[in-house]
Formats: sequence, C-alpha cells, structure tokens
Amino acid sequence: DVKVTQSSRYLVKRTGEKVFLECVQDMDHENMFWYRQDPGLGLRLIYFSYDVKMKEKGDIPEGYSVSREKKERFSLILESASTNQTSMYLCASSLTPPEQYFGPGTRLTVT
Amino acid sequence: GENVEQHPSTLSVQEGDSAVIKCTYSDSASNYFPWYKQELGKGPQLIIDIRSNVGEKKDQRIAVTLNKTAKHFSLHITETQPEDSAVYFCAASTGNQFYFGTGTSLTVIP
Repeated sequence: DVKVTQSSRYLVKRTGEKVFLECVQDMDHENMFWYRQDPGLGLRLIYFSYDVKMKEKGDIPEGYSVSREKKERFSLILESASTNQTSMYLCASSLTPPEQYFGPGTRLTVT
Repeated sequence: GENVEQHPSTLSVQEGDSAVIKCTYSDSASNYFPWYKQELGKGPQLIIDIRSNVGEKKDQRIAVTLNKTAKHFSLHITETQPEDSAVYFCAASTGNQFYFGTGTSLTVIP
C-alpha cells in the first residue's frame, strides 16, 4: 500500500512564527502536492513538485514556500504564520499518469 | 484554468438506497477523473477513477460514469451502508494538476 505520512496531526502556532510541515511518501512517486482544505472551498493547491528541487506554484501560493531536497520528502513552509492560514493541510503524492494518494492531514491553528 | 462544480453539497439516504453525486468540469483537456472519500479526521482516500477513453467503470457497489461531450461525471453508490457516510470529492486532472469539487457530505441513515 502507498503510504503518505505527515509529521503532525495537530499543530498550534503563534502569529509570526515560521512553521514547517513535513510530508514523506514511501512509493518513489515523482509528484508531490500540498493542499489546504477549508469548509465550503474544497481542496486548493498551494504548491506541487515534479521532481527533486523542482517546484511549481499552485492556485494559492502566497505566504507559503516549499522545499524538496529528496524525492520522498516535500516540506511546506509558512514563513510568518497568520491567522488566515489556520486550516487543514493535506499532502499528496502521485505517479504519472496520476493516481493521487493523500496523507492524513495536519490541522494547523494559528493564534 | 479548470473549474469543477459538485452537487449536491449534502445528501441523506436510507440504508440500502442508492446515492448519486454529480460533477461538471470546464476544461476539455481534462482526461482523468478520480473520486475520493474522506472520513472524519482523515485524509481523502481514492475510491474509484475513470479516464477519458472510458465511459463507465464499476467496482462492487461503486460506479462512475463520464460524459465527455457534456463535460460531466457522476459517482453512483448502490446498496448504501452506514459506513459509506463520509464526504466525497470529485476531481479533474489534465496531467499533473488536480482540480477538486467542493465536496458532498453523504449521510446514510440506518
């Protein structure tokens, strides 16, 4: 079975803090994604990566950056957390052609 | 970019009845259409998918249909069970990017 793991299930941070969300997949997938999920808005793509050290902006990249130094690991960074970044963050990975697999999610609260 | 609309947003059915969730998409270049089930506190799980060269696909009680001309696809769940209660998302993909519907909260009443 494909396994996508995220470093934390729940996280509480203060406004202005730098936040790191880690995602690891064990299936040698080329593509990795970060989404945020908000009620009524569905899943919105923040960033994705086709390969190591490659990254592409999604629909809502503002306030976020990413890092992919190894194929299995994709990190999402909130440079200076704000309250409007309180959300559920979902990591996913896929091969090409795509069958996307999600991690369990990190519920981030910024106070 | 692609725009995916999903209806209804909530759906309640009696156990044993069928449930149908519908999605439309805007980009004719989309060629892969997965459906995900998300249970409370968990990430979405792929339950079935269909590619643009296929009109229908079935896996036990779950089926998906695709009408490329009309740009819509549907999820059909037959003989619903309480464990089918969850949020279901459709998505459309042109390759490496995925565009999601806003989700349908399905409740199966025992």
